[in-house]
Formats: sequence, structure tokens, C-alpha cells
Amino acid sequence: EAQVTQNPRYLITVTGKKLTVTCSQNMNHEYMSWYRQDPGLGLRQIYYSMNVEVTDKGDVPEGYKVSRKEKRNFPLILESPSPNQTSLYFCASSLFLNSPLHFGNGTRLTVT
Amino acid sequence: DAKTTQPPSMDCAEGRAANLPCNHSTISGNEYVYWYRQIHSQGPQYIIHGLKNNETNEMASLIITEDRKSSTLILPHATLRDTAVYYCIVRVPILNTNAGKSTFGDGTTLTVKP
Repeated sequence: EAQVTQNPRYLITVTGKKLTVTCSQNMNHEYMSWYRQDPGLGLRQIYYSMNVEVTDKGDVPEGYKVSRKEKRNFPLILESPSPNQTSLYFCASSLFLNSPLHFGNGTRLTVT
Repeated sequence: DAKTTQPPSMDCAEGRAANLPCNHSTISGNEYVYWYRQIHSQGPQYIIHGLKNNETNEMASLIITEDRKSSTLILPHATLRDTAVYYCIVRVPILNTNAGKSTFGDGTTLTVKP
């Protein structure tokens, strides 16, 4: 089944403890992107990637890192999480820039 | 890329058509209009997209004005399961500055009532 898989679905961690949220797609999509969703703020883009080894900042990249070493994977790394990064995170991919985005089921992160 | 403006909320009676507007007055000639919806806190789901012609698929119809400054998503026979947040965004299909950027605003919360 064609899908975008995020793990974990839920994560509770403490301030400063490095974490990685994984994102994998099995559709050979070129474009991948990370969003965070907070109440009243819609979905804001964190980072995106046009293809392998090509990443760029979205609207809210501070405090996050990404990598795109393989086409299928696009992990989101929080080197030193802080409570203001408590949010619902979504990964998405599309075949090309002008193709519909496919979203994962989300990762709810709580940083205490 | 162009920003979009949507009303925060709308109601619709079950079985009637739901018409959701979106303003994108700064849209460029090569930017596509996309519509997604999000039910509860699930990942947004693609509905439809278009450039300048009206589009229809099994889920909805998209009407884009001739000047492309606004569009309307039409759900022809809304059901209770169509209650969701609907997002209108624009995307640039070619490689130029900020081509990969896409931001979803707050969207329109559509409530379908029995």
C-alpha cells in the first residue's frame, strides 16, 4: 500500500534529550516535507527536500535538522528539544512539485 | 508564493452543497491551487487541484475565477463525514526561489449538520 509512515506516533521526552522522528515513503516521491501544527496556527512548514541531498528551510526551521540521504527517508532531528517544540508533526511527500501531497498520520511530541 | 485567505468557519446542511471560498489575490501565473481537508488530527487528505480551468473529481469540484484571484471548492452533497478543516494552498510547480515552500493557513472549519 502506498503510504507515508511516521514513527513514533506519540513521544514524550525531556528538555535537551536529542530525538529523531522518522519518515518513510514507498512511492518513489522526489519531494518531502515536514510540518508542525499548533492550535490556531495551521500547518507551518519546517523543512523540505526536493530530492536526495537537497534540503531547504521552510517557515519555522529553528531548532530542527533534517537529512535526505536516501529518496525514501526524511528524518526530523531535534538536537536539543525545548517545551516550545511540543506540537503535532506531519511528514508529507509528493511525486513532483506539482503533485498532490501525501501525509503521514502524524507524531504528537511533548517536551517537558 | 501566494498567500491564501479563507473564512474561519462555515455550516452546511446535510445533503446540500457546501461552497468553500478561498482568496489568493497575489497568485502567479504558474501557481496551482490545491485543496486538502483534515479530519480531527489526522494527516491532511488531498481533494483536488487546478491551474485555471474548473476541475471535477469524485470528491468535489473546483471553480477558479477567470482572473485566478479566488476559487471555490464545492462538495455537491455534503454528508456528516465531510465535517473537517479545509485548506486552500498554492504551489509553484517549477524550480525557482521558494518553489518547495508550502504553508497551510488556518483553513475553514466546515460543520455539516443533520
